[in-house]
Amino acid sequence: DAKTTQPPSMDCAEGRAANLPCNHSTISGNEYVYWYRQIHSQGPQYIIHGLKNNETNEMASLIITEDRKSSTLILPHATLRDTAVYYCIVTSLLNDYKLSFGAGTTVTVRA
Amino acid sequence: EPEVTQTPSHQVTQMGQEVILRCVPISNHLYFYWYRQILGQKVEFLVSFYNNEISEKSEIFDDQFSVERPDGSNFTLKIRSTKLEDSAMYFCATKLGDRFLPNTDTQYFGPGTRLTVL
Repeated sequence: DAKTTQPPSMDCAEGRAANLPCNHSTISGNEYVYWYRQIHSQGPQYIIHGLKNNETNEMASLIITEDRKSSTLILPHATLRDTAVYYCIVTSLLNDYKLSFGAGTTVTVRA
Repeated sequence: EPEVTQTPSHQVTQMGQEVILRCVPISNHLYFYWYRQILGQKVEFLVSFYNNEISEKSEIFDDQFSVERPDGSNFTLKIRSTKLEDSAMYFCATKLGDRFLPNTDTQYFGPGTRLTVL
């Protein structure tokens, strides 16, 4: 499985955009980039995923570089409820889309 | 919006006792997973289940663990003889996994069961 590298923590001001980076330099062509978040000890919550193209949904945007070696999750207008641990995970059909969670980025949104 | 549900939310048991954790998947989902998270540690994959059999299991998932879908709706994780180190949050996840439809490989997680072994 490709590994991902994320900063351990970051702060964000409420109402501002939060940009969460993720490096996945060994990603292979058939691997997707998935983002989940976990608030306290709740179940991980799916945010967004992508393969090559940038993606946007009601929660966030995902920007994947052209060489696919890194990506950025953008929370356009962070709120206090977005305080959570954010996980960037790469996976594919070859491992049945099994999710391997790392330590993630602890995002703290401050008023 | 359909959700994965898990019961109980918190289970306290004595070491050596058997526990069964229950999950109700999202209706029509075909793939089922169990993960666990020991306090302060990463979320770890335990097992995946499809078509009434285990697809893959981690080295954590030893002979003390078993999974089944007894009535076609609930998906259960059984720990035969609990140990102190089994204390953790246990998360069930499910996905539709329809090969003929796009974007059906996303796993959706339940709220978890907190297992405390005394």
